[in-house]
Amino acid sequence: DVKVTQSSRYLVKRTGEKVFLECVQDMDHENMFWYRQDPGLGLRLIYFSYDVKMKEKGDIPEGYSVSREKKERFSLILESASTNQTSMYLCASSFASSGRFYEQYFGPGTRLTVT
Amino acid sequence: GNSVTQMEGPVTLSEEAFLTINCTYTATGYPSLFWYVQYPGEGLQLLLKATKADDKGSNKGFEATYRKETTSFHLEKGSVQVSDSAVYFCALSGWTSGSRLTFGEGTQLTVNP
Repeated sequence: DVKVTQSSRYLVKRTGEKVFLECVQDMDHENMFWYRQDPGLGLRLIYFSYDVKMKEKGDIPEGYSVSREKKERFSLILESASTNQTSMYLCASSFASSGRFYEQYFGPGTRLTVT
Repeated sequence: GNSVTQMEGPVTLSEEAFLTINCTYTATGYPSLFWYVQYPGEGLQLLLKATKADDKGSNKGFEATYRKETTSFHLEKGSVQVSDSAVYFCALSGWTSGSRLTFGEGTQLTVNP
């Protein structure tokens, strides 16, 4: 079974703090993704990575950065947390597309509250 | 670009009722189609998938058929249970999006005993 784990299920941080969300997958997937999920807005892609040290902006990258130093690990960084970044954050991974389109596997999510 | 339109929720059913959640899509070529389920407080789980026209995906009593002619991938279950209460997302991945998924807005299903 594919396993995607996230470092915390719940996190409370203060405005202005630097926040790290960690994601690890054990299926040797090339691609990894970070989404945020908010009521009424669905899932929105923040960043994704298709290889180690590679990254691409998604639909809402402002206020976030990412790091992928190892294939199995993808980190989301909030440089200076703000209250509008209170959300559910979901990590996902998949094989690379090469004439086929693969499903993504999701972690359990991190509910981040910024006060 | 790609897009997915799901039937609006919320949907409320009694146990053992028949379920249909409509999903239509717009995409170039032949995308792969997916249904995901999200239980309260959890991440998304892949429920079923179909990768070519006329394929039927099935899992846990749920089914969906990839209909190219109507660009649809409706989710069905013959007899729902209270434990099926969740949010259901239709999604696609295709030639213009590569590895990215395009999601529908999600449909909240509540099943009452």
